[in-house]
Amino acid sequence: DAKTTQPNSMESNEEEPVHLPCNHSTISGTDYIHWYRQLPSQGPEYVIHGLTSNVNNRMASLAIAEDRKSSTLILHRATLRDAAVYYCILSRTGAGSYQLTFGKGTKLSVIP
Amino acid sequence: GAVVSQHPSWVICKSGTSVKIECRSLDFQATTMFWYRQFPKQSLMLMATSNEGSKATYEQGVEKDKFLINHASLTLSTLTVTSAHPEDSSFYICSASRLPTNEKLFFGSGTQLSVL
Repeated sequence: DAKTTQPNSMESNEEEPVHLPCNHSTISGTDYIHWYRQLPSQGPEYVIHGLTSNVNNRMASLAIAEDRKSSTLILHRATLRDAAVYYCILSRTGAGSYQLTFGKGTKLSVIP
Repeated sequence: GAVVSQHPSWVICKSGTSVKIECRSLDFQATTMFWYRQFPKQSLMLMATSNEGSKATYEQGVEKDKFLINHASLTLSTLTVTSAHPEDSSFYICSASRLPTNEKLFFGSGTQLSVL
């Protein structure tokens, strides 16, 4: 799988937007960009994913660079419940199933 | 949303005993489930891919005779840690993808295994 690079940690004030960056310079044309987050002592939770266009859902927005070599997960208003480790992952999907390879992720701390 | 149930949430066992962890997809069918292991302050490491009705595919370095995986139905996969030792103590997490789309994985809540 192509590799992603994320900062080890970030801090944000509560109720402010958070931009979590991810570099994936070796991404291929068929790789999807996925974001998952993991709260302490829990399994990961799906956040968002995309291929080329920016994506929005109720949890977050995903901004994908035009060359697809980087992307940014945007949390519009950080809450204390958003404190977690955020993983940026590339995967290939097809007719069959697929697997995800987790990197170290970014630990997001939210300051009240 | 789809739910993956993992049981038990935590287990403590004596060295040498075997422990079985269950992973169920509650409201969807999953032909493939994945098993991960996570040590403290580390990321998730894929152990094996569990395929319904066939043998699991193990990642390099994972002992198939120690970590037995059974995926007997479209909603249940089990991981059995045989002859557990303290070094097997870890957080085990399963995940599944929903048919027909494979766009995202749903994860169980994890099982904390402590081997004394």
